[in-house]
Amino acid sequence: SQQGEEDPQALSIQEGENATMNCSYKTSINNLQWYRQNSGRGLVHLILIRSNEREKHSGRLRVTLDTSKKSSSLLITASRAADTASYFCATVRAYGQNFVFGPGTRLSVLP
Amino acid sequence: DADVTQTPRNRITKTGKRIMLECSQTKGHDRMYWYRQDPGLGLRLIYYSFDVKDINKGEISDGYSVSRQAQAKFSLSLESAIPNQTALYFCATSDLAVDTQYFGPGTRLTVL
Repeated sequence: SQQGEEDPQALSIQEGENATMNCSYKTSINNLQWYRQNSGRGLVHLILIRSNEREKHSGRLRVTLDTSKKSSSLLITASRAADTASYFCATVRAYGQNFVFGPGTRLSVLP
Repeated sequence: DADVTQTPRNRITKTGKRIMLECSQTKGHDRMYWYRQDPGLGLRLIYYSFDVKDINKGEISDGYSVSRQAQAKFSLSLESAIPNQTALYFCATSDLAVDTQYFGPGTRLTVL
C-alpha cells in the first residue's frame, strides 16, 4: 500500500486564493518532499522538510509537518493560474525502498 | 540541455514486443530510478540503482528488467510487452538516497 495519501484528490480555486493540500503517511520518515507535475511532464521538486522540522517556507509555499499525526500540509498563497498542476507528496525513509509517492492532488486555479 | 533525458518520448508497440526505454543524466548522481505513472495512482517504483553494481527491485518489478550501463545511463526493458504496461514512465536521479529526486520528461508507452 502507498505510504503517502494526498487530500483532497482535486481542488479548484480562484486566482488570488490560497490552496491547501494535505498528505498523510503510515511509517516513520527521514523527510517528506512535495513535487509539482504539469500535465504529462516530469515532476519538479518544490520543497523538502526533515523529520525534525515543523515548518518550512519557500516563496509562496509553506509546508508543515506533524510527525505525531503523520501528516503534512502544503499551502500555496496568492495562487496564480500558472500554479495549475498536480501536487505529490513523497515520504522518504532512511533505508531500503525509501521513496514513496502519493496519488497526488490536482489543483486548478481559475483566472 | 536537460539534466535527465529519456528516449523515446513516445512509443506505440504491440503485445509481445520487446521494448527498451533509455535514461541518461548529466548530474553526476549515483542513484537512478525508474517509475511508472498511471492515472489516479501516482508514481510507483519499478527498479532503482544506487551505483553501477547495485540494482534493486521496486514495488512493481514483474515484467520489467533494467541495465545500468554506466553511472550516467539506466535502461528499462519490457521483455514481452502487454497492454496493462501502457503508462507514463519516468526516470529520476538523486545524489543521496534521501535527497531530492530529479525527473526526466517521461516516456509515454502504449501497448496495443
